[in-house]
Amino acid sequence: DQQVKQNSPSLSVQEGRISILNCDYTNSMFDYFLWYKKYPAEGPTFLISISSIKDKNEDGRFTVFLNKSAKHLSLHIVPSQPGDSAVYFCAASDGGTDKLIFGTGTRLQVFP
Amino acid sequence: DTGVSQDPRHKITKRGQNVTFRCDPISEHNRLYWYRQTLGQGPEFLTYFQNEAQLEKSRLLSDRFSAERPKGSFSTLEIQRTEQGDSAMYLCASRGPRDKFPGELFFGEGSRLTVL
Repeated sequence: DQQVKQNSPSLSVQEGRISILNCDYTNSMFDYFLWYKKYPAEGPTFLISISSIKDKNEDGRFTVFLNKSAKHLSLHIVPSQPGDSAVYFCAASDGGTDKLIFGTGTRLQVFP
Repeated sequence: DTGVSQDPRHKITKRGQNVTFRCDPISEHNRLYWYRQTLGQGPEFLTYFQNEAQLEKSRLLSDRFSAERPKGSFSTLEIQRTEQGDSAMYLCASRGPRDKFPGELFFGEGSRLTVL
């Protein structure tokens, strides 16, 4: 039972354009959501998070949107850069804890 | 201190052997986590320590798995009688007492286990 789903295994975007990565969840009790980025041969790195009491959080080129009624969140990267090429994992916090439930990841490739 | 350190980075073993992984968290991080990632999946929570106390274990952690954090610093994860299904990347993460938001973990580079 996949509680956090990333239905797009890969995404290819031109440099300078917007990248939109999507994530759906099934458990309405999740109260905190995060995005992690992972380069090959490295561990995941925290990118940005959002509390369930908000619907948007921005950090530089990265913005996360949360739609609680649809149980959907998305990560927008504007403008996309080649260094953003990585696997992006969506994660939900179970009860505000560090016990994270991850999606299966979306591989983003940003080409020149 | 540059981050969470894991050793070994890669372990190849035969089915039935025991393996042990070590994790050194960031200094002063009192919370330490083990996750497992299999091919095509995201990381899955295994267990969690606060200082030396193991506070939670996932049902994924069978009796063949044991984790310790004897002095509240480094941690070990031992897998006894390995099976081919144990082949995965074992990720360690840590978090400090003053870190603000839940889930913001610092991950190591992982220990990849291959069971033949």
